[in-house]
Amino acid sequence: KNQVEQSPQSLIILEGKNCTLQCNYTVSPFSNLRWYKQDTGRGPVSLTIMTFSENTKSNGRYTATLDADTKQSSLHITASQLSDSASYICVVSARGSQGNLIFGKGTKLSVKP
Amino acid sequence: KAGVTQTPRYLIKTRGQQVTLSCSPISGHRSVSWYQQTPGQGLQFLFEYFSETQRNKGNFPGRFSGRQFSNSRSEMNVSTLELGDSALYLCASSFGGEFEKLFFGSGTQLSVL
Repeated sequence: KNQVEQSPQSLIILEGKNCTLQCNYTVSPFSNLRWYKQDTGRGPVSLTIMTFSENTKSNGRYTATLDADTKQSSLHITASQLSDSASYICVVSARGSQGNLIFGKGTKLSVKP
Repeated sequence: KAGVTQTPRYLIKTRGQQVTLSCSPISGHRSVSWYQQTPGQGLQFLFEYFSETQRNKGNFPGRFSGRQFSNSRSEMNVSTLELGDSALYLCASSFGGEFEKLFFGSGTQLSVL
């Protein structure tokens, strides 16, 4: 069964600190892995998209890694800001299935001053 | 460039009624996909349309249906509403390729009483 699992479920950090969120997946055949940020009451916003051959991709203070052999990904946030408080969702797409994304339950990040 | 627009933003219905939600994609995007988000299940894929044709469908009952018009605008219909249909319904648009970034709307919050 295609699944995406994220950890931790929630995380509280102080402003300025770094953090890393984890994602494990069992999706086959694999096409790409995406990280989204979702603010409360809003739609998700794309942070990164990685294909099988990519193992690191950055978007400002966000850096995603992908290990396609172990089927693991991480999202590293550097120098956190209060505006980083949101849910971060790992999403995996199977090959040939446009739009049919398999979502993790997300990690709820709270950044405190 | 205008983003993805979903209407209405909030909706309250009673069991047994039907509802139609609307999604206007970003200009030039030909793919529209729909998702259901609940606190318990997270985000789940409903269906995806490309150039007025349904390309992919998730595991939802036939009460959930959709369509896409020639201008790429899409509607989703839920008939015979159940309490469990209460959720945030999100649509996303893209150019339709497998590795394209999806742009989400802010969603329609549906409450079934």
